[in-house]
Amino acid sequence: GAGVSQSPSNKVTEKGKDVELRCDPISGHTALYWYRQSLGQGLEFLIYFQGNSAPDKSGLPSDRFSAERTGGSVSTLTIQRTQQEDSAVYLCASSFGTSNQPQHFGDGTRLSIL
Amino acid sequence: RKEVEQDPGPFNVPEGATVAFNCTYSNSASQSFFWYRQDCRKEPKLLMSVYSSGNEDGRFTAQLNRASQYISLLIRDSKLSDSATYLCVVNSGGYNKLIFGAGTRLAVHP
Repeated sequence: GAGVSQSPSNKVTEKGKDVELRCDPISGHTALYWYRQSLGQGLEFLIYFQGNSAPDKSGLPSDRFSAERTGGSVSTLTIQRTQQEDSAVYLCASSFGTSNQPQHFGDGTRLSIL
Repeated sequence: RKEVEQDPGPFNVPEGATVAFNCTYSNSASQSFFWYRQDCRKEPKLLMSVYSSGNEDGRFTAQLNRASQYISLLIRDSKLSDSATYLCVVNSGGYNKLIFGAGTRLAVHP
């Protein structure tokens, strides 16, 4: 079956521009997570959506970062006024949302800020 | 203190060796535990879940010690293809959110 789909796979943009990253979770998965990973570093949690509950935004690094999940399915992560330190791979994962279910990851979006 | 802690390594072992990684977690209410594997420049992939009684999948054995709040992963007869970063994952107590450790790097050499 279809896995988690992320787009674009690569994004190069100039400092100061806004970018929007998209994640299509596995059908039926109620939980959706965004992470970012810099080269050689671990996963940095950004935001977590679970069903209709208020999202856990505790990992967003600044108010330039925001995310939405419309209709409990597709999610977009928006970064405004991008900075060079935003360059990283942005990974999305989804799961069935109960604590004993593992996450399944998309291939990620590699974001490069010039 | 981080919720999930792992020795970053690297663990450099020869082919055929047995290697073990530990991971400690801080939330005693955590109920779900997993090991993931991440290859260089790839997304993490589920390796195995960790069950209370311990479980085995081929050359891989996972153990849970609730009293000491750690989980372990044992790899027997290491292969070159086992070279990767191994991520410990724990759920955050009463919540469904999964927390990832920073990973332990394994390098298997000929």
